[in-house]
Amino acid sequence: GNSVTQMEGPVTLSEEAFLTINCTYTATGYPSLFWYVQYPGEGLQLLLKATKADDKGSNKGFEATYRKETTSFHLEKGSVQVSDSAVYFCALRNDYKLSFGAGTTVTVRA
Amino acid sequence: DTAVSQTPKYLVTQMGNDKSIKCEQNLGHDTMYWYKQDSKKFLKIMFSYNNKELIINETVPNRFSPKSPDKAHLNLHINSLELGDSAVYFCASSQGDRGYGYTFGSGTRLTVV
Repeated sequence: GNSVTQMEGPVTLSEEAFLTINCTYTATGYPSLFWYVQYPGEGLQLLLKATKADDKGSNKGFEATYRKETTSFHLEKGSVQVSDSAVYFCALRNDYKLSFGAGTTVTVRA
Repeated sequence: DTAVSQTPKYLVTQMGNDKSIKCEQNLGHDTMYWYKQDSKKFLKIMFSYNNKELIINETVPNRFSPKSPDKAHLNLHINSLELGDSAVYFCASSQGDRGYGYTFGSGTRLTVV
């Protein structure tokens, strides 16, 4: 079956620090991979996606590359801001079903 | 215009009651979903409908019953509410192709007392 494993949080950083959240997956076939972000009290928003191996998704300074050989889709941002404080979810989709990792809470301090 | 809207946003009710949560999408998507998010933020899919047909039905108590009157609406009815049903319930919609992500509603926080 499909599963997503992401690094446990919480993660606390200072403003302008480098952020990496690790994500690995297990899947049959050729899934698409996603990162979602959930700000406090809100729903989930799509942050970026990649639909095939070696694709790089990017948005709002965040990047992730679909690595088939290591079954990974790590999220990175070079310089975080306080406004990046949120819960980040890695997810994969085969067919209709989107399967999520457990989420990583990120807090950025000024 | 809100793409995926759910009502109500908050729902506080007593054990044993029956309640419904409504969801509507105006994106023209053909597939809709219900997810449950627990207190640790873990997201679990409950149901999915594609063009009014049930296609995903995870291990969910049969007190939960989805209904899709048309492809733009997917409602969730819960009978005999229990304390453990307290959670945030998210509706989402998508196109059927795996390359599409989901668009989520803002959630309904259900508290059973």
